[in-house]
Amino acid sequence: SQQGEEDPQALSIQEGENATMNCSYKTSINNLQWYRQNSGRGLVHLILIRSNEREKHSGRLRVTLDTSKKSSSLLITASRAADTASYFCATDAPGAGSYQLTFGKGTKLSVIP
Amino acid sequence: SQTIHQWPATLVQPVGSPLSLECTVEGTSNPNLYWYRQAAGRGLQLLFYSVGIGQISSEVPQNLSASRPQDRQFILSSKKLLLSDSGFYLCAWSVSSSNQPQHFGDGTRLSIL
Repeated sequence: SQQGEEDPQALSIQEGENATMNCSYKTSINNLQWYRQNSGRGLVHLILIRSNEREKHSGRLRVTLDTSKKSSSLLITASRAADTASYFCATDAPGAGSYQLTFGKGTKLSVIP
Repeated sequence: SQTIHQWPATLVQPVGSPLSLECTVEGTSNPNLYWYRQAAGRGLQLLFYSVGIGQISSEVPQNLSASRPQDRQFILSSKKLLLSDSGFYLCAWSVSSSNQPQHFGDGTRLSIL
């Protein structure tokens, strides 16, 4: 079964609003990563947060990690039309080498100009 | 800088025909290499990964195989394609140590008729 599960499955917001996506996972992890995928393209790495970190920022992105709840959130502030994409969380597969990632099904974000 | 090339971008093949998808990485040595498949609207399923030349690990029993004849070359093959092999195939690489992001190619859209 999937290790990471994002919610919501789809999110539609107006340009300038903030977008929050959540990810839950089942087992312990070493790190959690967020990726973006534009339609028909490969995934682009956004941010990696380690299990001993609680929050991380990169530009307009803010990621939080709560290992007690086995959940993470990705916040995109002041969204732009160019942020329209699918967003995936990925966790390293426990016991199988920390370079293997298990991806969720993604959140499809639509930013309306 | 590192780049990853994946081809072809799209492919239409009849059932029962063979398959060969190629992926090459430039600008890095001894990368970990990965093949994923993504069904429409779904997350990524890891098919194969490789930590070195000739070293292939399979994650899912299937109609496909992978080979790594050179350090930065990763090939996905099939002797006889099935309808269920249709999908979006993505190649990725990462630095060969733990807790590293993966970098993806632009994918191959494979349609089986």
